[in-house]
Amino acid sequence: GAGVSQSPRYKVAKRGQDVALRCDPISGHVSLFWYQQALGQGPEFLTYFQNEAQLDKSGLPSDRFFAERPEGSVSTLKIQRTQQEDSAVYLCASSSRLAGGLGELFFGEGSRLTVL
Amino acid sequence: SQQGEEDPQALSIQEGENATMNCSYKTSINNLQWYRQNSGRGLVHLILIRSNEREKHSGRLRVTLDTSKKSSSLLITASRAADTASYFCATDMYSGGGADGLTFGKGTHLIIQP
Repeated sequence: GAGVSQSPRYKVAKRGQDVALRCDPISGHVSLFWYQQALGQGPEFLTYFQNEAQLDKSGLPSDRFFAERPEGSVSTLKIQRTQQEDSAVYLCASSSRLAGGLGELFFGEGSRLTVL
Repeated sequence: SQQGEEDPQALSIQEGENATMNCSYKTSINNLQWYRQNSGRGLVHLILIRSNEREKHSGRLRVTLDTSKKSSSLLITASRAADTASYFCATDMYSGGGADGLTFGKGTHLIIQP
């Protein structure tokens, strides 16, 4: 497709389970971002990739969060030993431009994670 | 942390009226963008205004930027029921020391009453 694709759209996990969220950005987009959006809040930055390089992971809330983009296209956000406070929508966005000169970000529909 | 603060947090108006939302931010920016989010969906880019611009138009949208006051406003004219959504301002503050992309505010939830 022409847009950013995220899967799964909805994920319910038991506390302590590991989850993996996938993002397929627009083809050719060099920049890829992960954001976390709590209910009623704006998106909060998690991490940034320029091609396969993770240039900024300062927003990851704990070492249970890990992201990768091994071939510079598809990215996976992994959350280990999920906690209830991890419940949120995880948004992926891509851009054809680099951080420092960003224009429009193209967002996926998000993955809604509920931890019971 | 969130850089921008939208005001008001919620706004309900009648169809056909104009809707104005404001955004304040804290640090110097390269540009400021406005996004829209329908319930349960991703964000959609509306308009970008650069730090050296003061006003920009796109269809029924008008954005202003006052860098001296660190504020921006989004005006939607002749509102429609389909404009019901949350609206976020986002700032691009990249200064070479990091790459945290766009920083979003908490949003204004706009309801257009038919």
